[in-house]
Amino acid sequence: DAGVIQSPRHEVTEMGQEVTLRCKPISGHNSLFWYRQTMMRGLELLIYFNNNVPIDDSGMPEDRFSAKMPNASFSTLKIQPSEPRDSAVYFCASSLTLTEAFFGQGTRLTVV
Amino acid sequence: AQSVTQLGSHVSVSEGALVLLRCNYSSSVPPYLFWYVQYPNQGLQLLLKYTSAATLVKGINGFEAEFKKSETSFHLTKPSAHMSDAAEYFCAVGKGSYIPTFGRGTSLIVHP
Repeated sequence: DAGVIQSPRHEVTEMGQEVTLRCKPISGHNSLFWYRQTMMRGLELLIYFNNNVPIDDSGMPEDRFSAKMPNASFSTLKIQPSEPRDSAVYFCASSLTLTEAFFGQGTRLTVV
Repeated sequence: AQSVTQLGSHVSVSEGALVLLRCNYSSSVPPYLFWYVQYPNQGLQLLLKYTSAATLVKGINGFEAEFKKSETSFHLTKPSAHMSDAAEYFCAVGKGSYIPTFGRGTSLIVHP
């Protein structure tokens, strides 16, 4: 298996633009997580899906952020409109219930 | 509720010296505990995990950690540091639905 695949690896966008981050979890995994990593706040859980259903989105910062998982092999995290303070590394991770979480390489987002 | 505290944002050791990275947890239920490593521009990789079996857990790359309930600790150790161990290390606590809560991370610096 190729592991968790995230795209793009790097994204630079202007403030106000829409940004979409993509994630393909490991085949057969039933849980998917989106995390954000910054120097100031460390690693924060944004949202958790189980069997494609959002279970806990309490970490989503505000309404500008939205996440979807239309099927077991694909998830998106969208920011609209983007702001400079959204600059961070965004990680997707997947897991098979009660086992370790496998992380993707991350997407480094820069909003200018 | 659960949380993790990692003592020391940076730890510096000489090559060949003992590595000790500290982690204390708080959990309202018997926890699962994890150590992850993050190399530059990479995602997080699981080093080892405690899931209520043996209290001394051995992981990859010669690392191990001991669960001490009386001290609510799960410190990570390695007898002899190698240059390739230089990375960011994260302690995490989770249970049940497996939504790990991460510590702020400790940067391990290894000097020649």
